[in-house]
Amino acid sequence: AQTVTQSQPEMSVQEAETVTLSCTYDTSESNYYLFWYKQPPSRQMILVIRQEAYKQQNATENRFSVNFQKAAKSFSLKISDSQLGDTAMYFCAFMKQTYGGATNKLIFGTGTLLAVQP
Amino acid sequence: NAGVTQTPKFRILKIGQSMTLQCTQDMNHNYMYWYRQDPGMGLKLIYYSVGAGITDKGEVPNGYNVSRSTTEDFPLRLELAAPSQTSVYFCASSSGNNLGWDNSPLHFGNGTRLTVT
Repeated sequence: AQTVTQSQPEMSVQEAETVTLSCTYDTSESNYYLFWYKQPPSRQMILVIRQEAYKQQNATENRFSVNFQKAAKSFSLKISDSQLGDTAMYFCAFMKQTYGGATNKLIFGTGTLLAVQP
Repeated sequence: NAGVTQTPKFRILKIGQSMTLQCTQDMNHNYMYWYRQDPGMGLKLIYYSVGAGITDKGEVPNGYNVSRSTTEDFPLRLELAAPSQTSVYFCASSSGNNLGWDNSPLHFGNGTRLTVT
C-alpha cells in the first residue's frame, strides 16, 4: 500500500520570501504521479502542480516548483515570492499510474498549513 | 460549466438520522469519488465509481452507501448517522482515459460540512 507523509503540520513565511514544504511517500510502484493541492479557507481543492514519475525534470508552474527525488521518494514544493493569497493548507498526493479503465485514486498526506505573514 | 456541485454546504444531523449528500458534475466524467476530510488529516476515500452502474469501496466505506444511476450524479447516503461521521465531505470527478496512460487530475466540489450530534 502507498503512504504519503507530510512532516510539517504548520509553517510560516514572510511575504515575498521563499518557503519549501516537504513530502515523502512510500510505494513499490515504478509508474505514478505526484501532486500538490492547495486548500484555502474556502475549502476548495485547487491543483497547484503535478509531476510524472517517469520525468526527470522537475515541474514548474509560475512561482511554484517541485524538487522530485525519485530514489529518495521525496517530493517537496517550493513557493517563491510568497503572497498573502498563498495562505492555505497544502496537501501532497500520490496516484498510481493506471491503464485501460482502472481508477484514478488519490492518496493524500495529512497536509501542511502555510501562513504567509505581511 | 459548473464543474462538480455538492449540496448541501452544511448540515447538522442527530445521531441515528439519515441523509443523502448530493453530487453532480457536468463535465461528462466517467470517474467519480467521495472523500472525507477529518480535522488535521488528509482526505480519505470512501467510495468511487468508474461509470454508471459501477461502484466500489475505498479506504473507509463503513456507514456509507452510494449509487451511480447516471454519469452525472453520485449521491452518498448515510443511513444511521454517528458522531464519528462528523467531517467535511468532498465529491470529485475525473475523465480518466481508456486509451492510454492519462491520469487527469481530480476536479473537486466545494465540500459539505457535516456535524453529527
